Amino acid sequence: DSGVTQTPKHLITATGQRVTLRCSPRSGDLSVYWYQQSLDQGLQFLIQYYNGEERAKGNILERFSAQQFPDLHSELNLSSLELGDSALYFCASSVGAGFLDIQYFGAGTRLSVL
Amino acid sequence: QKEVEQDPGPLSVPEGAIVSLNCTYSNSAFQYFMWYRQYSRKGPELLMYTYSSGNKEDGRFTAQVDKSSKYISLFIRDSQPSDSATYLCAMKANQAGTALIFGKGTTLSVSS
Repeated sequence: DSGVTQTPKHLITATGQRVTLRCSPRSGDLSVYWYQQSLDQGLQFLIQYYNGEERAKGNILERFSAQQFPDLHSELNLSSLELGDSALYFCASSVGAGFLDIQYFGAGTRLSVL
Repeated sequence: QKEVEQDPGPLSVPEGAIVSLNCTYSNSAFQYFMWYRQYSRKGPELLMYTYSSGNKEDGRFTAQVDKSSKYISLFIRDSQPSDSATYLCAMKANQAGTALIFGKGTTLSVSS
């Protein structure tokens, strides 16, 4: 168990809908990262937050947004969902935001868009 | 050309075999190299990491980095059925705000 908690484990929804994925980092970790994993693209970095502030941005679509709250948990919001958004979404956390900080991954949320 | 290339396999070996997993990359700024293991329906877990070039050994696992060839390897000695998983290489440049870039992963199956 990495100590990173993601809910829900599985989400089934329809095209055009909006969903929220939740992540609780390991105790003491200030950075949270979101990744998308699909069969064709592999594990792709979406966005990083450090202590409530956006720190780095990857290939995150405009329909997606995230935030990190004062208690350090984070939420990833996906809107106007398309079939192609079906994937595994992982959250990871690390102590700091330095480039040597090790990222610990949660078990993921499997999103199915029908 | 993708920044990180990794043969997806699948790779099937008998128990006890030596396994070699590899990644190539194109970005010469990468200095931090990692190997993650991902079991089915689980999140990736860090196996090993190295900074810059060289070798690192941890039990049955050895990680090698050859920056001149832009090539990294993970060797697994005396492979066990419990090693059956997908192995992801990942790397990062020594710059603030840069992301961890992953290979697509190699699926390994070790049969008893």
